[in-house]
Amino acid sequence: QKEVEQNSGPLSVPEGAIASLNCTYSDRGSQSFFWYRQYSGKSPELIMFIYSNGDKEDGRFTAQLNKASQYVSLLIRDSQPSDSATYLCAVNPYNQGGKLIFGQGTELSVKP
Amino acid sequence: DAGVTQSPTHLIKTRGQHVTLRCSPISGHKSVSWYQQVLGQGPQFIFQYYEKEERGRGNFPDRFSARQFPNYSSELNVNALLLGDSALYLCASSFSGGEIGGTQYFGPGTRLTVL
Repeated sequence: QKEVEQNSGPLSVPEGAIASLNCTYSDRGSQSFFWYRQYSGKSPELIMFIYSNGDKEDGRFTAQLNKASQYVSLLIRDSQPSDSATYLCAVNPYNQGGKLIFGQGTELSVKP
Repeated sequence: DAGVTQSPTHLIKTRGQHVTLRCSPISGHKSVSWYQQVLGQGPQFIFQYYEKEERGRGNFPDRFSARQFPNYSSELNVNALLLGDSALYLCASSFSGGEIGGTQYFGPGTRLTVL
């Protein structure tokens, strides 16, 4: 089992729809969770972080965390073509300093 | 404010050579982490340094080494380059050394090609 798993996609949604990106992790003691966006040929850009169970909203983005199910998700409302990118889920495992373990990323394509 | 800076942007080396990559963190940040990203995969953790001390090491061979300087900038060194070392090398900056909330911000990366 991979430490952090994401569907590689591609996930295709029409413009204006909600895009739902999912991530599961294996280390039950993990405490910090991050979503990064990476455009082709560029470096990862932080979108959101979440530490507590529940939802966290920032503009069009909502991160959801369920530690009991070891599951974290990112919802993008009113998806725009400019949201087309690879979305990386990253987990900070318990007692491993600042180490982030990344999933392989989900490619999102928003069609006009 | 300037973000994380890395140099060089691109680098082409041949097998067996040595390479040094450089990173300057965001002003006020004391921790630097290095990641390797091969095409189609998520970044893989190589090292973390905080206050000039190694805080973590990933599953990479001893050919990989790093250090952090008093101004918190950092170098990643790779010896005896292999074709498989071709990747995007990312530096990430954070204020803290890994306590909860240690959000990491990435630099633009160095694209290394080994021929």
